[in-house]
Amino acid sequence: QVQVVQSGAELKKPGASVKISCKTSGFTFTTFAMHWVRQAPGQTLEWMGWVSTASGNTKYSQKFEDRVTFTRDAAATTVFLEVNNLTYADTAIYYCARGSYSYRLEYWGQGTLVTVSS
Amino acid sequence: QSVLTQPPSVSGAPGQTVTISCTGFASSTGISNGVHWYQRLTGTAPKLLIYNDNKRPSGVPDRFSASKSGPSASLVITGLQAEDEAEYFCQSYNSSLNGFFVFGTGTTVTV
Repeated sequence: QVQVVQSGAELKKPGASVKISCKTSGFTFTTFAMHWVRQAPGQTLEWMGWVSTASGNTKYSQKFEDRVTFTRDAAATTVFLEVNNLTYADTAIYYCARGSYSYRLEYWGQGTLVTVSS
Repeated sequence: QSVLTQPPSVSGAPGQTVTISCTGFASSTGISNGVHWYQRLTGTAPKLLIYNDNKRPSGVPDRFSASKSGPSASLVITGLQAEDEAEYFCQSYNSSLNGFFVFGTGTTVTV
């Protein structure tokens, strides 16, 4: 069965960077793009962008394109999210999700809480 | 970034029917593709509940149904159960030049 497992919670200081991993299994890794979505406290879900698991190409939401990098390791069937220059506003749960047909997100990771605090 | 608008909360007694709306679909905004719905139980990851306006993935109970017409979509839960208490999000795709995924503002269902 499809599994999407993310790395654990992170506590970072303002200005630091964070890198989150998302390990997938149960499907052919290079068939579907992987997306990143976050939810800050009291906010709705925000789509951050996607990474092509086949080519490594990326598409970023305009809000995040300056500070966010998506990468993937096809051999490890894992994708990564790195956020640079963290601010308090980046405190959120970050989710990875497997894309599918008709622009839906079919399988989600359990979420990674990133807390930015001095 | 455009968002889809949902009521912040709805509530109902066990066995009742509740409806969650999701508005903001229009060709002028670029959000005119199919709608998908997700359920997030407290402390868990979102789960795909409905896709392509009204289709249920395998394993989703048929008390969950949905429709889309014009500028709005709706998720209906009939025979409300305690385990349906969760946050629900609609989601679509903006097919304008910068094409991106858009989410609804989220609705908390209280049973």
